[in-house]
Amino acid sequence: DMKVTQMPRYLIKRMGENVLLECGQDMSHETMYWYRQDPGLGLQLIYISYDVDSNSEGDIPKGYRVSRKKREHFSLILDSAKTNQTSVYFCASSSWTGYAEQFFGPGTRLTVL
Amino acid sequence: GQQVQQSPASLVLQEGENAELQCNFSTSLNSMQWFYQRPGGSLVSLFYNPSGTKHSGRLTSTTVIKERRSSLHISSSQTTDSGTYLCALRHYNQGKLIFGQGTKLSIKP
Repeated sequence: DMKVTQMPRYLIKRMGENVLLECGQDMSHETMYWYRQDPGLGLQLIYISYDVDSNSEGDIPKGYRVSRKKREHFSLILDSAKTNQTSVYFCASSSWTGYAEQFFGPGTRLTVL
Repeated sequence: GQQVQQSPASLVLQEGENAELQCNFSTSLNSMQWFYQRPGGSLVSLFYNPSGTKHSGRLTSTTVIKERRSSLHISSSQTTDSGTYLCALRHYNQGKLIFGQGTKLSIKP
């Protein structure tokens, strides 16, 4: 069953706290992504990971970092969260070559107070 | 400028009518993907369509690369089709998807 999972689904944090968002996939995809979705701005890429320990910045990486130690798992870390990082975060995965359909997780709704 | 433009921004139809959603892009295409999203929901992939025409039930996606456009046709619409439809292109040499702003579809009973 092809699936991308995200934990937690909802999270409320105070400004300055650290945040860890987790993503998993069971399709052995080498490529994984973190996007955020904001009203009026659509979906924007934060980071892309091409495989274990092979990560690249996307369009809006400032204030975020990522970790990928296993192919099936990709984490997004916010060190000292800011109120403007309140958003819905989506993780996705795909193959890099050939059939490259991206599969998305259910999303994490993060509120930073 | 915006690389992916969707039209219309919103569309209201009566149940049973057909819907035609358009996506135009201004950059080189590797593949086109269409998604469906309910308010507060995730992105459900409808079609991965690099070129040509694909069918899935009442849905049809057509991508014409040299005209830089893709369309999504919904026949005999139902109230459960209501939601936002997003197109996204995967650029050559880039893994990321570039999303359009979406078409908000409302189907009235």
